[in-house]
Amino acid sequence: DVQMVESGGGLVPPGGSLRLSCEASGFIFGSHWMHWVRQVPGQGLVWVSRISSDGNITTYADSVKGRFTISRDNAKNTLNLQMNNLRDDDSGLYYCVKPVHQYDSRSLGDWGRGTLVAVSS
Amino acid sequence: QSVLTQPPSASGTPGQRATISCSGTSSNIGSHYVYWYQQLPGTAPKLLIFRDHQRPSGVSARFSASKSGTSASLAISGLRSEDEADYYCAAWDDSLSGVGFGGGTKLTVL
Repeated sequence: DVQMVESGGGLVPPGGSLRLSCEASGFIFGSHWMHWVRQVPGQGLVWVSRISSDGNITTYADSVKGRFTISRDNAKNTLNLQMNNLRDDDSGLYYCVKPVHQYDSRSLGDWGRGTLVAVSS
Repeated sequence: QSVLTQPPSASGTPGQRATISCSGTSSNIGSHYVYWYQQLPGTAPKLLIFRDHQRPSGVSARFSASKSGTSASLAISGLRSEDEADYYCAAWDDSLSGVGFGGGTKLTVL
């Protein structure tokens, strides 16, 4: 079965850094684009970033450009999100998401359970 | 401010049919596939519909969807109490160069 397990969330002060990871299994990780999506508990979904299957192409939401870096290690089936200069509005549950189909760069299919990030002083 | 527009709430009684609308623009729904997700309380979103109207294996045929121009809709027939959840629409958005979401619709089964 497809599974994504996120980790690395926690409480961090404004301006701090955090590195999220996602361990994927049950599918050919190296053949899929991957995404991060954020949700403030009780609120809606916000797309954060995506990365191509080979890691060469990355895209970010305007709100995180220049502060977040998405990366992947296909040998370890792992997706990462380095989050720097964190702000209060970066808080939320961060989901690792696999597209619906292989080589599909624009859809969101299977979701992990998320890891919670809280930015607060 | 969400990229796509959904009503904040919808409701119906058991056995009835409920519909949820999703409105967008030419930069998202008008030129890209629409996806629908169900989020039960305390859980991650689950894919209900992909590529405008297709159901993944395992999703009940009670869920159906359609798209016309820059609008889409999700229909749930034979409502059950377990359908109470938040429902989100999504589509790629060329202006964002990212996935745009609706604000979500909370479905209540009365």
